[in-house]
Amino acid sequence: DTGVSQNPRHKITKRGQNVTFRCDPISEHNRLYWYRQTLGQGPEFLTYFQNEAQLEKSRLLSDRFSAERPKGSFSTLEIQRTEQGDSAMYLCASSSSPHTYEQYFGPGTRLTVT
Amino acid sequence: AQTVTQSQPEMSVQEAETVTLSCTYDTSESDYYLFWYKQPPSRQMILVIRQEAYKQQNATENRFSVNFQKAAKSFSLKISDSQLGDAAMYFCAFLTNTGNQFYFGTGTSLTVIP
Repeated sequence: DTGVSQNPRHKITKRGQNVTFRCDPISEHNRLYWYRQTLGQGPEFLTYFQNEAQLEKSRLLSDRFSAERPKGSFSTLEIQRTEQGDSAMYLCASSSSPHTYEQYFGPGTRLTVT
Repeated sequence: AQTVTQSQPEMSVQEAETVTLSCTYDTSESDYYLFWYKQPPSRQMILVIRQEAYKQQNATENRFSVNFQKAAKSFSLKISDSQLGDAAMYFCAFLTNTGNQFYFGTGTSLTVIP
């Protein structure tokens, strides 16, 4: 098992464009989490999935953001009509029930909106 | 709501010496977990150490140990015999026993001086 992977690692986009990130969790991990980390801050929770069900969403997740985990394996995070304030590192983590405290993080996708 | 505060944005330590990173938190929960994560530059977050709030004994992992003061809501990390590879951003994090989202502090950047 190679751990949590995220693609792409870096994304530069122009304001107003849509972007999509992918996260592949550790196999057999049924829980998947998305966090956002801006410069000089710790990660902030965005949303989490148990299998394919999105069970919790932060108020940070505006209506321009949508996350999916269609088959309970990989997940995608899409940002529509990107804004400069969306520039951040987007982190994915996974865990397996019942040990939700053991979240393993991926390397992140760094988004720059110009 | 849970909050985590790291009051030391930057710390430095001589190689082979000991350094302590501070963390305080605020919660009304009685059962929770506390963590220290390490984030090397451009690399993924790695769990350093975990403490269950119901355990009175402080957690230790090789050169890393914590001083957990539940009444004071304090959770400091001690790194002994510091090595160059310890240089990284260190994040203190909180997780409720029933929750799924981590609450992170703003991080402490540790420099190890050869």
